[in-house]
Amino acid sequence: QKEVEQDPGPLSVPEGAIVSLNCTYSNSAFQYFMWYRQYSRKGPELLMYTYSSGNKEDGRFTAQVDKSSKYISLFIRDSQPSDSATYLCAMALTGGGNKLTFGTGTQLKVEL
Amino acid sequence: ETGVTQSPTHLIKTRGQQVTLRCSSQSGHNTVSWYQQALGQGPQFIFQYYREEENGRGNFPPRFSGLQFPNYSSELNVNALELDDSALYLCASSLVGDPSGKLFFGSGTQLSVL
Repeated sequence: QKEVEQDPGPLSVPEGAIVSLNCTYSNSAFQYFMWYRQYSRKGPELLMYTYSSGNKEDGRFTAQVDKSSKYISLFIRDSQPSDSATYLCAMALTGGGNKLTFGTGTQLKVEL
Repeated sequence: ETGVTQSPTHLIKTRGQQVTLRCSSQSGHNTVSWYQQALGQGPQFIFQYYREEENGRGNFPPRFSGLQFPNYSSELNVNALELDDSALYLCASSLVGDPSGKLFFGSGTQLSVL
């Protein structure tokens, strides 16, 4: 079993839809939770970062962490074609340095 | 665009050869890490360097090695290339003392091993 599970998709939605992306994990010691966006032939770009449990909002993006359920989510409101990319969840331990554990990524396509 | 630059962008090698990939960190960042991303997978942590020394390693064999230079640039070396080494290799930089794992990635080097 992988430490971090993520549905690879692909997920196709119409423009303006609310998108929900999710990851589950098995290591209860993870404290830092991130969402990265990766366009084709590019490196991952940090979108959202959350420490421990709770919600964080940034513009059209909302990240949620539920440590009791070992479940994290990313919501995208009013989705745009430019949001079409692969979304990677990532997690880190306290004192883990730069060692992130990534999910496999969910491929999202937002259609006109 | 992050300030992390990688070279070359693409590389083709044959099995058994050796390869060196290069990375220039974002200004002010003194920690660099390397990740391997196979097709359809998330990045896998190879190792990280701080103060020119390796101070964390993932589940990769010793034929994967690295260097960090005083100007914080870095190299990833892979010896005795295998077909399964074909992947996108990503360099990421960060500030030491930031425990959050916020990394800034380059665009990667796409390595094909034939």
